[in-house]
Amino acid sequence: AQTVTQSQPEMSVQEAETVTLSCTYDTSENNYYLFWYKQPPSRQMILVIRQEAYKQQNATENRFSVNFQKAAKSFSLKISDSQLGDTAMYFCAFMKHFGNNDMRFGAGTRLTVKP
Amino acid sequence: SQTIHQWPATLVQPVGSPLSLECTVEGTSNPNLYWYRQAAGRGLQLLFYSVGIGQISSEVPQNLSASRPQDRQFILSSKKLLLSDSGFYLCAWSVPGSWNYGYTFGSGTRLTVV
Repeated sequence: AQTVTQSQPEMSVQEAETVTLSCTYDTSENNYYLFWYKQPPSRQMILVIRQEAYKQQNATENRFSVNFQKAAKSFSLKISDSQLGDTAMYFCAFMKHFGNNDMRFGAGTRLTVKP
Repeated sequence: SQTIHQWPATLVQPVGSPLSLECTVEGTSNPNLYWYRQAAGRGLQLLFYSVGIGQISSEVPQNLSASRPQDRQFILSSKKLLLSDSGFYLCAWSVPGSWNYGYTFGSGTRLTVV
């Protein structure tokens, strides 16, 4: 079974600074997908960024980028120029390439952006 | 465009009472549907998923059940709630075979069992 580990329960960052959230996963699959979801106080889950394991190039979405290290099974999220609206729970998630699209989530990291 | 509706938003139920949470998806056909539970301060636990009408897979043995009576309707039920059933329940859908798009989530139901 696939497991996803987020070792940082809480983090904080000053507004406009950069922060990196860690995620590691365990799988015997070769093809899979990785995701970062954001859950603000409203509790709505919002997809931040996704990465296909067969692509070596790290995904980027505006201020959000990932550092995907397939051999190390690591998938960290970097948030640049942090904004107050980035305050949220961030969940790392894993999905196999073949299967029923069931996604496995880490326990989450609570990020607070301080003014 | 596709939308997902989940209700009720909040629910307070006594121990031993029944439960019915409903989720519907619009704008797509034959979606994969999921129920997750999020305990306070914790990650998301997959409870059930469905790849078609009447097809339900359970991930965690418990006193909850799920049904899919229509293509775009997914219901989470219980005959008798336990205190441990309290949590935040999220419904989600995905396009079958389109793994790279991830899930679209509903707005969630906060269930408190008292």
